[in-house]
Amino acid sequence: GAGVSQSPRYKVAKRGQDVALRCDPISGHVSLFWYQQALGQGPEFLTYFQNEAQLDKSGLPSDRFFAERPEGSVSTLKIQRTQQEDSAVYLCASSLFSRGLNNEQFFGPGTRLTVL
Amino acid sequence: EDQVTQSPEALRLQEGESSSLNCSYTVSGLRGLFWYRQDPGKGPEFLFTLYSAGEEKEKERLKATLTKKESFLHITAPKPEDSATYLCAVQAGGATNKLIFGTGTLLAVQP
Repeated sequence: GAGVSQSPRYKVAKRGQDVALRCDPISGHVSLFWYQQALGQGPEFLTYFQNEAQLDKSGLPSDRFFAERPEGSVSTLKIQRTQQEDSAVYLCASSLFSRGLNNEQFFGPGTRLTVL
Repeated sequence: EDQVTQSPEALRLQEGESSSLNCSYTVSGLRGLFWYRQDPGKGPEFLFTLYSAGEEKEKERLKATLTKKESFLHITAPKPEDSATYLCAVQAGGATNKLIFGTGTLLAVQP
């Protein structure tokens, strides 16, 4: 079956612009995660949804970052008034269950954001 | 504070030269330890989940093991196509389901 897909794959924004990044999880997956990955680093957690409920947003770096998953499937990560330090790869992951065994997270290819 | 440390940062092997990658962790109530492979320009690809000390899992030339403080990813007779960054992550107990990643080990296998 299809994996996690993300769009766009690459985004160049001028400082101060707003951007929206889209994630299509694997069909039927309950949990959805957003991570930020800087060059040469491991992914860092941003936020977590269980169906449409945002249960953990402790990793969002500022109030310029906002995520939603209104119907419990597709999710959008929005960054307002982008800054150069926002430049990174944004990864989306989904998992079938929220707890217990077999809750491994499957990642999409990421969106590389460059803020000029 | 939950933390994951991977070593070495980079490893260069000759084809067929077996070795191990290390992942040390401190976490409040380990729910699971995950290994991923990441190729340049791609998202992490799931390899293994380990849940309790003493557990081992194998896939082709890779074998992952877990103790109470660390995990090892053993690579037997590697091939050039095994070249990638290998990421280790832990999922802590409690309400959160987030993964906490290490910085990865960049593996290069030369023919």
